[in-house]
Amino acid sequence: KAGVTQTPRYLIKTRGQQVTLSCSPISGHRSVSWYQQTPGQGLQFLFEYFSETQRNKGNFPGRFSGRQFSNSRSEMNVSTLELGDSALYLCASRAVGNTEAFFGQGTRLTVV
Amino acid sequence: QKEVEQNSGPLSVPEGAIASLNCTYSDRGSQSFFWYRQYSGKSPELIMFIYSNGDKEDGRFTAQLNKASQYVSLLIRDSQPSDSATYLCAVNPSSASKIIFGSGTRLSIRP
Repeated sequence: KAGVTQTPRYLIKTRGQQVTLSCSPISGHRSVSWYQQTPGQGLQFLFEYFSETQRNKGNFPGRFSGRQFSNSRSEMNVSTLELGDSALYLCASRAVGNTEAFFGQGTRLTVV
Repeated sequence: QKEVEQNSGPLSVPEGAIASLNCTYSDRGSQSFFWYRQYSGKSPELIMFIYSNGDKEDGRFTAQLNKASQYVSLLIRDSQPSDSATYLCAVNPSSASKIIFGSGTRLSIRP
């Protein structure tokens, strides 16, 4: 069974640009959560999608948004990038009725 | 108060000894508890989950949960150098389906 797939693995963007990250969950998993990980703040919860609906949201500005498609794949978008958005962005998928989360390899975003 | 608290470490343990990692959480109604291991530059990997009070053993790992004290721990027996990593405690609070992570404890196993 394939794991969680995140693309791209690495990304370099300029301040002010926008970026879209993609996550394909484990087959059969309908919940996708996104986290931001930085050395100073640890793993911070961004949002969770389930059946194309945002179910939970963390304390991030509106520049961070996401969506989920009918095949459970999810995208995360960050607009007007700031230097502080440089981080490892992790996606995790969970099955219905099962709360263990499995992570993808992450997307390393660098904003210059 | 943080929702999930861990000592950041580093925790240094000699090879072959027992490593004990601790975590406290604030939501008394939390139902699900997880331990993840994260090597430098890699994504977190689930190593244990526990839902009921008491101990749960899996190989060299034992997770312990005490809901009355809002405390969860991870014991690693016969520690190996390959166990050197950051260990993240995670909790599913009662109010939401999201999983909240602690800041992690850095564990170093010295030969």
